[in-house]
Amino acid sequence: DIVMTQGALPNPVPSGESASITCQSSKSLLYSDGKTYLNWYLQRPGQSPQLLIYWMSTRASGVSDRFSGSGSGTDFTLKISRVEAEDVGVYYCQQFLEFPRTFGGGTKLELK
Amino acid sequence: EMKLEESGGGLVQPGMSVKLSCATSGFTFSDYWMEWVRQAPGKGLEWVAEIRNKANNYATYYGKSVKGRFTISRDDSKSIVYLQVNSIRSEDTGIYYCTRRRWAFFDYWGQGVMVTVSS
Repeated sequence: DIVMTQGALPNPVPSGESASITCQSSKSLLYSDGKTYLNWYLQRPGQSPQLLIYWMSTRASGVSDRFSGSGSGTDFTLKISRVEAEDVGVYYCQQFLEFPRTFGGGTKLELK
Repeated sequence: EMKLEESGGGLVQPGMSVKLSCATSGFTFSDYWMEWVRQAPGKGLEWVAEIRNKANNYATYYGKSVKGRFTISRDDSKSIVYLQVNSIRSEDTGIYYCTRRRWAFFDYWGQGVMVTVSS
């Protein structure tokens, strides 16, 4: 299985500052079609996960442009600019290259 | 409006069975591949199962920890996806989410249904 490892945030993050969440995969997620099969989700407290970013850097419909995804084949970053109260929650990366569709362990963002 | 609504959870004794349902509306259900993802209390997300559409022969795929015990199925006439859980174990306790797959991601999620395994 592809193992997804997420880094921690130096919580709490001051409101208005930027935050970067890292994710590393045990295998390159770059496929022969040129796409990188890495997704990001946010799970706000008490809610279901919601899609933020797919194909490593494409924002999902309705997602603020304060969220951006970048990376290589195995190392990825989700950057949140000007952190707001609504950004609080747990962020998960997920690989979609192979079965099983593994998730990272989650990175919690708290607001100062 | 897109809706996915899970039901069927509750308290289940170890070794018994439970069938979860996910009723959907607001999109052409038969066109999409559907998934189940679960979350143990206080833990992260774990992909459970996928079922493809008729055009893909309703192919199914399972996570290793549930293969042989869980069965995903669908009823396109009712726009419902199911998860049959057999020989349930304490480690199956958690919230089960139904989600829609689009391309290579899960774009819509239900609110989840809690399953608690305990005697």
